[in-house]
Amino acid sequence: GENVEQHPSTLSVQEGDSAVIKCTYSDSASNYFPWYKQELGKRPQLIIDIRSNVGEKKDQRIAVTLNKTAKHFSLHITETQPEDSAVYFCAAPRGPRGGGADGLTFGKGTHLIIQP
Amino acid sequence: GAGVSQSPRYKVAKRGQDVALRCDPISGHVSLFWYQQALGQGPEFLTYFQNEAQLDKSGLPSDRFFAERPEGSVSTLKIQRTQQEDSAVYLCASSLVGRTNTEAFFGQGTRLTVV
Repeated sequence: GENVEQHPSTLSVQEGDSAVIKCTYSDSASNYFPWYKQELGKRPQLIIDIRSNVGEKKDQRIAVTLNKTAKHFSLHITETQPEDSAVYFCAAPRGPRGGGADGLTFGKGTHLIIQP
Repeated sequence: GAGVSQSPRYKVAKRGQDVALRCDPISGHVSLFWYQQALGQGPEFLTYFQNEAQLDKSGLPSDRFFAERPEGSVSTLKIQRTQQEDSAVYLCASSLVGRTNTEAFFGQGTRLTVV
């Protein structure tokens, strides 16, 4: 099955600086890589995803890059704000159907702390 | 519209007690997933359904765990003879089926504490 590694486990940055979170995966057939944000006591919410036919995707201050050869993908947050403080999870498909249709394998999470 | 709804939000069970956790998915969502999230960890897959069919239950930790979705909508996760290691947040997610529409929408979870 798929194995997803995520680092760092904790990341503290000054407000306004950039934050980068990295993940690696093991199954070269994986084709869908979502990122979820989870605030304390709340549900995980999808913030951005990327499919394996593109190398980068941007949405305002958030971007995700994918390197299929190296089997890693990264989340980039620019101009960080206090409301970006949360735990971020990367994920990859856990089954053969692709796209997460069989469910997802998650990384262990990164606690992002935005220092004022 | 309404999102994924889970109940109860919190459940305290005495060791050995049976519990039932409910998930109401987004209307029209064919796929429904259950995950277990231990403190400080990412969600871990338990089982999933496509309509009423349970397609994969390989993530269920033991035969004390049982899930059903008899009419292809509401799902129940049942844990028999709860043990302390069952303490976790149980998350339900639903999605449209298909290769391009597989965003999973999560409920707020049920926090189970076994004492």
